[in-house]
Amino acid sequence: DAGVTQSPTHLIKTRGQQVTLRCSPKSGHDTVSWYQQALGQGPQFIFQYYEEEERQRGNFPDRFSGHQFPNYSSELNVNALLLGDSALYLCASSLDRRGNTIYFGEGSWLTVV
Amino acid sequence: AQSVAQPEDQVNVAEGNPLTVKCTYSVSGNPYLFWYVQYPNRGLQFLLKYITGDNLVKGSYGFEAEFNKSQTSFHLKKPSALVSDSALYFCAVRDMRASKIIFGSGTRLSIRP
Repeated sequence: DAGVTQSPTHLIKTRGQQVTLRCSPKSGHDTVSWYQQALGQGPQFIFQYYEEEERQRGNFPDRFSGHQFPNYSSELNVNALLLGDSALYLCASSLDRRGNTIYFGEGSWLTVV
Repeated sequence: AQSVAQPEDQVNVAEGNPLTVKCTYSVSGNPYLFWYVQYPNRGLQFLLKYITGDNLVKGSYGFEAEFNKSQTSFHLKKPSALVSDSALYFCAVRDMRASKIIFGSGTRLSIRP
């Protein structure tokens, strides 16, 4: 049983560019959340997708957007990249919106130069 | 608002000795508490959770956590530390209203041979 898988694992972008990160949830999980973990900090909640809609959102600007597909996989898009967007982006999945155990992927390391 | 605090940035323990990583929480209602571990350049791995029931929760890799309602604490413990336990540990609380996980700032655990 595959866990949460994310791609790409590492990428480098230039300021002002756009990036798309991808996530496949753990088998049987239908809820996907995205977190940003800056260096030396704990993960911060970006948003959550359930039934292909954004259900909850953290304190992140509109440059951060997402999508969930019918197979429950998800994408995180970040537009107009800033140097401060450099971070580890973690995808998490759970059985449902109130699933008590949330599983995380290995993350996508984004460096903005 | 829900929150967790990890008062120690770093904990150093000799191999074979017991270890404790501290966490205190602030929640309204019943707390849903978690511990995650992060190895270098990796994602988050679930260790254990407290939802209800016994105050002593057993988790992965020999770790356990003690829920103390009167002290609002959820300390992570292990009777005998291994060098391979060296990693970054995060305490977290589930914000049930927002269906998201709120993380502490993390504690770096270093086990010396």
